[in-house]
Amino acid sequence: DTEVTQTPKHLVMGMTNKKSLKCEQHMGHRAMYWYKQKAKKPPELMFVYSYEKLSINESVPSRFSPECPNSSLLNLHLHALQPEDSALYLCASSQNQRVLRANEKLFFGSGTQLSVL
Amino acid sequence: KNEVEQSPQNLTAQEGEFITINCSYSVGISALHWLQQHPGGGIVSLFMLSSGKKKHGRLIATINIQEKHSSLHITASHPRDSAVYICASRAIKAADKLIFGTGTRLQVFP
Repeated sequence: DTEVTQTPKHLVMGMTNKKSLKCEQHMGHRAMYWYKQKAKKPPELMFVYSYEKLSINESVPSRFSPECPNSSLLNLHLHALQPEDSALYLCASSQNQRVLRANEKLFFGSGTQLSVL
Repeated sequence: KNEVEQSPQNLTAQEGEFITINCSYSVGISALHWLQQHPGGGIVSLFMLSSGKKKHGRLIATINIQEKHSSLHITASHPRDSAVYICASRAIKAADKLIFGTGTRLQVFP
């Protein structure tokens, strides 16, 4: 299994809603990432988890709350979002956060397209 | 100035043409990634390079560390190659993060 699975694929929410994005991988990867991508722009890093601990938070507003319940799962909890938070949210994983082996790649999920009304 | 620059931004080609996409970066890197993103979002990692050249099917990626430059070549292009191609670098001093280029939007017409 070489997939990163994200659910849901599409999400529409109001500014007062609470929702969660889910990401799952079963490749034994110990680094997992959340990226935000606006239309026609490159992905922007939000969070990095390494060995289930938050290692990087790119000054993301607290209305985004990541959680890593175990080594295979990564969640992103959303609360009181703004319309400008509408974007594609991508999850990725890699074997390790820092150590790069010869053929190490990042594996991306297909993303959750989020619309905030 | 973005640390990772790609050219061209947009590229159209006829089926069968040889395609080159260029990537230049400004800091010392430990690795450079080439990624492919199709409409609808999914990103596929094509190559991870730290030196030399890699080939996979019709795709070839090269990197020149001294010149801080990488190229992605597509031989015998096909309409299914139409996608956005993104290069992303891992800096030596910040290997935790990828610095993304702005992408090259490729359209291959039959």
